[in-house]
Amino acid sequence: QLVLTQSPSASASLGASVKLTCTLSSGHSSYDIAWHQQQPGKGPRYLMKLNSDGSHNKGDGIPDRFSGSSSGAERYLTISSLQSEDEADYYCQTWGTGIRVFGGGTKLTVL
Amino acid sequence: QVQLVESGGGVVQPGRSLRLSCAASGFTFSSYGMHWVRQAPGKGLEWVAVISYDGSDKYYADSVKGRFTISRDNSKKTLYLQMNILRPEDTAVYYCARDSFGRGDIDYWGQGTLVTVSS
Repeated sequence: QLVLTQSPSASASLGASVKLTCTLSSGHSSYDIAWHQQQPGKGPRYLMKLNSDGSHNKGDGIPDRFSGSSSGAERYLTISSLQSEDEADYYCQTWGTGIRVFGGGTKLTVL
Repeated sequence: QVQLVESGGGVVQPGRSLRLSCAASGFTFSSYGMHWVRQAPGKGLEWVAVISYDGSDKYYADSVKGRFTISRDNSKKTLYLQMNILRPEDTAVYYCARDSFGRGDIDYWGQGTLVTVSS
């Protein structure tokens, strides 16, 4: 079964960097994913498509501070130079034949 | 720019029906697959359904299969979600979203419309 696992929460200080993790279920380590951001009270926003080889394509207007990387079944979102507006929920998303799957989301707190 | 505007949400009693609409603009609607994704209060995102660019293929989450129907009218650039036999657990903000061209990720989102199922 295609499942994405994320830690429920993460925190980092203003101006620092943070690395969020999304783990693909067994047998699905070659899957590409996407990262989405949801700021409080808003709809989601597409950040990027992250391929299994670590290459990524960002959405319109996404700052260079956001980057992605991959290792095995792990997919990462790194946010550098954290700003207050980065405090949000972050969801990973993948796809199979006819289905889309979301991870449970990580709530990022900027201290 | 790409815009997706949902409408049709509201309060409905259990067992009743509701139809959501999503008006698209800023891109060639007839070239893209489209999704509905929902988010229950305080919960994460849950994919609901997808329809291919021409409406020929449709897929649903198990939680809504047999009750919800996704459709589209390319001449009106509008996506629909017909929701029947609604349950309290269908209470959520429903988002319309665009499938990226030829990939599989969702690359644009609407702002959502709230559906509350309650007696």
